[in-house]
Amino acid sequence: DAKTTQPTSMDCAEGRAANLPCNHSTISGNEYVYWYRQIHSQGPQYIIHGLKNNETNEMASLIITEDRKSSTLILPHATLRDTAVYYCIVRGVAAGNKLTFGGGTRVLVKP
Amino acid sequence: EPEVTQTPSHQVTQMGQEVILRCVPISNHLYFYWYRQILGQKVEFLVSFYNNEISEKSEIFDDQFSVERPDGSNFTLKIRSTKLEDSAMYFCASGRLAGGYNEQFFGPGTRLTVL
Repeated sequence: DAKTTQPTSMDCAEGRAANLPCNHSTISGNEYVYWYRQIHSQGPQYIIHGLKNNETNEMASLIITEDRKSSTLILPHATLRDTAVYYCIVRGVAAGNKLTFGGGTRVLVKP
Repeated sequence: EPEVTQTPSHQVTQMGQEVILRCVPISNHLYFYWYRQILGQKVEFLVSFYNNEISEKSEIFDDQFSVERPDGSNFTLKIRSTKLEDSAMYFCASGRLAGGYNEQFFGPGTRLTVL
């Protein structure tokens, strides 16, 4: 089963930052936090991942708490095209490790 | 930008028939995966494949399923005798081995409908 807990849904205003929380209280020392999203029925899309430091790329920022038990994905300026289901996934560092998807957070960006 | 491709985009078949779903992973990737998503449900892992053999499989991946990398570029999922409950979106993914982490890149999926 998925080792993360996320809110089922949230709304966000277009142009505003979207902050998506995730709890992963049982994360172990060698496990990364990954974020993916799925727009409608398309294939999941990789967003970002991190181990313990905050990370930023062209899509989003990832803030991981010092105890690593929770994290927040930040979409800095949400657009209508960011409407999707966002998945927070904890995964080991080995390349072959599968991704275990939970229910994710359904984010609706409103004009 | 390189991407994972899948064919066909939609496959309709009769129960009991064999289907082969095809994927072309990103060219320098070494790890390959199949996932499925039944309508309205979670994305579920089926199988991972590395160095021409299965490295991990789920309980879903029973004897009716098989995977193959026949020619060094394609990666296929075969379902020998389809059941109604096999109707789902099937996603292929691939990953490189780089720097100790390995994000997976997903294809657009094949929608399988079993009648």
